[in-house]
Amino acid sequence: KAGVTQTPRYLIKTRGQQVTLSCSPISGHRSVSWYQQTPGQGLQFLFEYFSETQRNKGNFPGRFSGRQFSNSRSEMNVSTLELGDSALYLCASRIAGLNNEQFFGPGTRLTVL
Amino acid sequence: TQLLEQSPQFLSIQEGENLTVYCNSSSVFSSLQWYRQEPGEGPVLLVTVVTGGEVKKLKRLTFQFGDARKDSSLHITAAQPGDTGLYLCAGRSPQGGSEKLVFGKGTKLTVNP
Repeated sequence: KAGVTQTPRYLIKTRGQQVTLSCSPISGHRSVSWYQQTPGQGLQFLFEYFSETQRNKGNFPGRFSGRQFSNSRSEMNVSTLELGDSALYLCASRIAGLNNEQFFGPGTRLTVL
Repeated sequence: TQLLEQSPQFLSIQEGENLTVYCNSSSVFSSLQWYRQEPGEGPVLLVTVVTGGEVKKLKRLTFQFGDARKDSSLHITAAQPGDTGLYLCAGRSPQGGSEKLVFGKGTKLTVNP
């Protein structure tokens, strides 16, 4: 069974631009969560989607948004990029229930210049 | 805001040595997870501990959940270079009908041959 895939793996943008990251969960997984990982703050929860609905949200500004499609694939968008948005963005999927293990993808490394 | 403090932040040891990594919080968690993350990859779940005082072993790794479910430790016996990586603890807590996973900032372990 294929794991969680994220595209692109690396991305360089400049301040003020917007970016869209994509995540394909493991087949059969309906929940997708997004995290931001930085050396200073560690891994921080952005949001979780389940059956195309946002089920949970972290403490990030409205510039960070996401969505989930009917095939469970998810995208996250960051508008008006800031230098501090440079990070590894991780996606994780799980079958459904909150007690199920979540599996992480390899991440997208975003650099904002 | 729930926080998980991990210590030490960095650890560099020789092959064959033992080590313990700590994960502490002032908050109670319903369960606690340990992950290992290698460069260029997402975190991989090692173990979930649920009951206060619970001890789980995974080959040379021993995980313990504190009696009050506020802290946890990871002990590695006879460390090997393959144990090198970033070790993350994550606490689960219910919040308003949903649930969030709060991560510590991690312990970066280097095992030198």
